[in-house]
Amino acid sequence: AQSVSQHNHHVILSEAASLELGCNYSYGGTVNLFWYVQYPGQHLQLLLKYFSGDPLVKGIKGFEAEFIKSKFSFNLRKPSVQWSDTAEYFCAVNVKAAGNKLTFGGGTRVLVKP
Amino acid sequence: EPEVTQTPSHQVTQMGQEVILRCVPISNHLYFYWYRQILGQKVEFLVSFYNNEISEKSEIFDDQFSVERPDGSNFTLKIRSTKLEDSAMYFCASKGSGANVLTFGAGSRLTVL
Repeated sequence: AQSVSQHNHHVILSEAASLELGCNYSYGGTVNLFWYVQYPGQHLQLLLKYFSGDPLVKGIKGFEAEFIKSKFSFNLRKPSVQWSDTAEYFCAVNVKAAGNKLTFGGGTRVLVKP
Repeated sequence: EPEVTQTPSHQVTQMGQEVILRCVPISNHLYFYWYRQILGQKVEFLVSFYNNEISEKSEIFDDQFSVERPDGSNFTLKIRSTKLEDSAMYFCASKGSGANVLTFGAGSRLTVL
């Protein structure tokens, strides 16, 4: 069965700092990759997704992620964070051959200090 | 923008009681899901539902759990006899045909005492 690992459980940084959240998955076949964000008290929202094509994906709110197939990674980045980026971030994988079920990573809680 | 709505937002129940969590998926979506997140743990897949039947379920989804689409709009998760370890945030999600992106609801927090 596939699994998803997020390396950092908590990240604390100051406004304008750069952010990179790691995500690795274990599955050798074709996958769809996602980053979801959950702001305090809100629902999971899609930040960006990768299905195929350009491995550098741009999402909403200035986020981007890079799919590196050889490393089974899909790291999320933002060059300059804002206080409003305080949230929990979830990486998720959908194995194309296994239906529509999403497998989530453990989440990374990001706190941006003003 | 269309939303998945869930009720209640928070429910407190006694162990052994039945609980029904309700979800209204996006109206033209055909695939429905329940996930749960125990505090401090991963978001876990419970069940997927399509064409009025379960298409996949996890090992968590035992005989205590059931899902139903009683009418054209609601999608419910029933826990027959709640246990302490059922305390979690339960997320409903839906997906349209041809799309690979799930839209999640805000979640229903279940606390079992």
